[in-house]
Amino acid sequence: GQQVQQSPASLVLQEGENAELQCNFSTSLNSMQWFYQRPEGSLVSLFYNPSGTKQSGRLTSTTVIKERRSSLHISSSQITDSGTYLCAINTGNYKYVFGAGTRLKVIA
Amino acid sequence: DMKVTQMPRYLIKRMGENVLLECGQDMSHETMYWYRQDPGLGLQLIYISYDVDSNSEGDIPKGYRVSRKKREHFSLILDSAKTNQTSVYFCASSSIYEQYFGPGTRLTVL
Repeated sequence: GQQVQQSPASLVLQEGENAELQCNFSTSLNSMQWFYQRPEGSLVSLFYNPSGTKQSGRLTSTTVIKERRSSLHISSSQITDSGTYLCAINTGNYKYVFGAGTRLKVIA
Repeated sequence: DMKVTQMPRYLIKRMGENVLLECGQDMSHETMYWYRQDPGLGLQLIYISYDVDSNSEGDIPKGYRVSRKKREHFSLILDSAKTNQTSVYFCASSSIYEQYFGPGTRLTVL
């Protein structure tokens, strides 16, 4: 089965609303990372977060290892937040497994 | 400035032609990757390289080979490209903590 599952698959927000994106993994991990993929395709690393909570501006990532889940919280969403959010887990030996992503659209 | 570069950014080839995709990084990372991304399938690992001439198959290596002769440079080769290899290809390099991605190459095989 899939090792990394992301939910929801897609999401539409009104500008200013908050969002919580989920990443669940079925295997133990060495580390995990959240990425933002811009509409034009390039990938940007948002967080390296193997455990605990990290915040950067309006983004907060929380990883709970024993529950095998990580979340990405976006507060006060902006139109420029639109794109795809990917989580990836490092299963060991530097190999990463990616989720299918959450496609976010923020509308005015 | 930490950077992963890819060349070319766009490429159109005919079925049966050979394809060379090139990737460079300026972070002296030992580990580098080639992925492909297709709609609905996410990022799939083709090959991983742990250092010069130390390459390992990923999840979908069939139809691809790689070359790494310098630590900063990693190539993906398609010998006799097939139409089902039309995709977006990403190169990445990794520290022990994080992956860094190149901008991607959009390959179309006609």
